[in-house]
Order: sequence, then structure tokens, then C-alpha cells
Amino acid sequence: QVQLQESGPGLVKPSETLSLTCSVSGGSISSYYWSWIRQPPGKGLEWIGYIYYSGTTNYSPTLKSRVTISADTSKNQVSLNLTSVTAADTAVYYCARWTSGYSYGTYWYFDLWGRGTLVTVSS
Amino acid sequence: DIQMTQSPSTLSASVGDRVTITCRASQSIGTWLAWYQHKPGKAPKPLIYKASSLESGVPSRFSGSGSGTEFTLTISSLQPDDFAAYYCQQCNTFFGPLIFGQGTNLEIK
Repeated sequence: QVQLQESGPGLVKPSETLSLTCSVSGGSISSYYWSWIRQPPGKGLEWIGYIYYSGTTNYSPTLKSRVTISADTSKNQVSLNLTSVTAADTAVYYCARWTSGYSYGTYWYFDLWGRGTLVTVSS
Repeated sequence: DIQMTQSPSTLSASVGDRVTITCRASQSIGTWLAWYQHKPGKAPKPLIYKASSLESGVPSRFSGSGSGTEFTLTISSLQPDDFAAYYCQQCNTFFGPLIFGQGTNLEIK
């Protein structure tokens, strides 16, 4: 079955760039949208953005100026870069697959998620 | 942009109880809504998509209803494994960012 695994540094200094990778196993990233979502400590889920495997992206307006999501089909990976981080960017970061289908109408939802990786922003 | 408001924020209930969580959208989103269950340290799990369609493998005690601006997630008979956080999410980028409700923590009474 398809599995998602997030990886990257657990500690990032303020003003630096947070870089994470989502490795997809058991299936190809092709023909799907892939998203990053985060959860700050004690708070709810926040959508960061998504990418179609071919490169089309859509970002949350609140993070758009600092976010880049990319996909590497040869490595079957999706990556997240978040620049100029502050303590407010401390969170568990999740990778998820954004899936569409049709059943008496089109639907979309996040059908697969990774377990997440905690990133702390601190000097 | 659309705002998604869940209620209650915290819900205390007992095994066997019937519970309902409500999610309200600030404007109509049709049936573009999903529900997720999230336990600490685990991957969020989809429960319901398209407002009322049950994800494969999810027990039938979970059900979703609603359209437009008001949606509900109902658990017909709480089981010990159901104590977790639950989130609704608007699922159409036409309406703006794919935002989540603030979550409902379902606790053991």
C-alpha cells in the first residue's frame, strides 16, 4: 500500500529556511496532487499548499510569499521549503495526498497522510 | 475567504453515547466537505468525504450529513478507539484555501 514518510531537520534557526521531504513508497507520485499541512503545538491543522506531480502549485495566501513546494518524479518525492522562519513556524509538518474521484458528483479530500515530523524553530 | 467553525471545541462523552459534531461554513460550499480523525503522534485519518460518503474501511457508526453551510459528523455509539480530535475541512479551491475547522477534542467522560 502507498505510504508517505516526512523527513528533514528537527531544529531550524530563526530567519533560516525549513526544508522537508516527503518520500512516497508503494506507489507513484505521478497523476496525483501532494500537499503539506502543519499543526503548531496545541493548535489545529493548517493547510500550506499543494503541487500536482507535473509542477502546478497552489499555496495558502498566508504563507505564499515564503513557501515553495516541488516534486521529483525520479525520486518519487515531494519537498517543502519555507523561508525566513520564526518561532510561529514550529509545528508538526504532514505530507498528504489530495485525491479526487466521482460519485454522483466530483469530490476531493486528503486520502493518505504521513505521520508527520516535528520542526522546532529556535536559536 | 471562507471560515470554518466547529462546535463544540471539546466534547466529553462515554462509551456507547451518540455524539454529534457540527461544522459551519461562512458561505455555502455545497457538499465540498471532509471529516478527519486525528490521534496524537499518528497520521490523520479520513472518515467522510463529499459531506456524507464514508471512507473505505471506516466503521459504519460514523456518518456525515449536511450541505451548504451546516454539516454534522455523528458517531452513533462511541467506542474506546473513537476518543480523538476531529476536524472538518472545506475541499474546493474555488472557495479559497483548503482550510480546516479548529477541531473538536472528544474526551472520555
